[in-house]
Amino acid sequence: EVQLVESGGGLVQPGGSLRLSCAASGFTFSSYSMNWVRQAPGKGLEWVSYISSSSSTIYYADSVKGRFTISRDNAKNSLYLQMNSLRDEDTAVYYCARDASDDYGDYWGQGTLVTVSS
Amino acid sequence: EIVLTQSPGTLSLSPGERATLSCRASQSVSSSYLAWYQQKPGQAPRLLIYGASSRATGIPDRFSGSGSGTDFTLTISRLEPEDFAVYYCQQYGSSPAWTFGQGTKVEIK
Repeated sequence: EVQLVESGGGLVQPGGSLRLSCAASGFTFSSYSMNWVRQAPGKGLEWVSYISSSSSTIYYADSVKGRFTISRDNAKNSLYLQMNSLRDEDTAVYYCARDASDDYGDYWGQGTLVTVSS
Repeated sequence: EIVLTQSPGTLSLSPGERATLSCRASQSVSSSYLAWYQQKPGQAPRLLIYGASSRATGIPDRFSGSGSGTDFTLTISRLEPEDFAVYYCQQYGSSPAWTFGQGTKVEIK
C-alpha cells in the first residue's frame, strides 16, 4: 500500500524557518517524481514545488522561489521542503504528492499544517 | 502560464441528481495532462480522473471526464451522499508544473 506521511509542521514566527519531511512507503520511491502542494485555510490548492526522481530537475512556484528548497533522499525514501524567510501568507496545510508520470498526483499524504504568526 | 477557471463556484443538488462541472483553460491543454480531484473537509485531495477521461483506480463509474482543448467537464451521473465535496481540475505544464482551478463545491440542496 502506497503511503505518504508528512511531518515537521508547526507554529513559526515571520522570517523563521521550518523543514518539512515526507516519508514514503509501499512503492519504489526512487522511480517517481514528487511534488509539494499547499492549501491555505479555506482556500484552494496551490502547487509549491516539483523534484524529479533523480533530483536533476526542480521547479518552484514564483511565490516561494528563492525561499524554499525541495530535496529528496532516495536511500531514505524521503522528500523534504526547507522553508526559509517564512511569511504570513505561507500559512497552509502542506501536502506531498507522488507524481504518476509527470502529469498528475496519484497519491497524496494527509498533510502537515504550517502556521506563520507572531 | 495557463489559468484554469472552474464553474460554477457552488453547485446545489440533491442525491440522485446529475452534476456537471466545468473547467476552462486560458490556453489549449493537452488532454493527457488534465486531471480532476475530489476533496472532502479535513482530507487530502483524491485523484478521480486523469488524462481528461480515465478513471483512477477504485473510482466508481458514475464519475466521468470529457473534453479537449480548452473545455473540460467532470460529470457525476447520480450523486451519492459521499459525493458532496469540493472538486478541482489540474493541468500539468513545465513551470509551474501543476496548475489548479479554484474549485467547485458540490453541496446538498
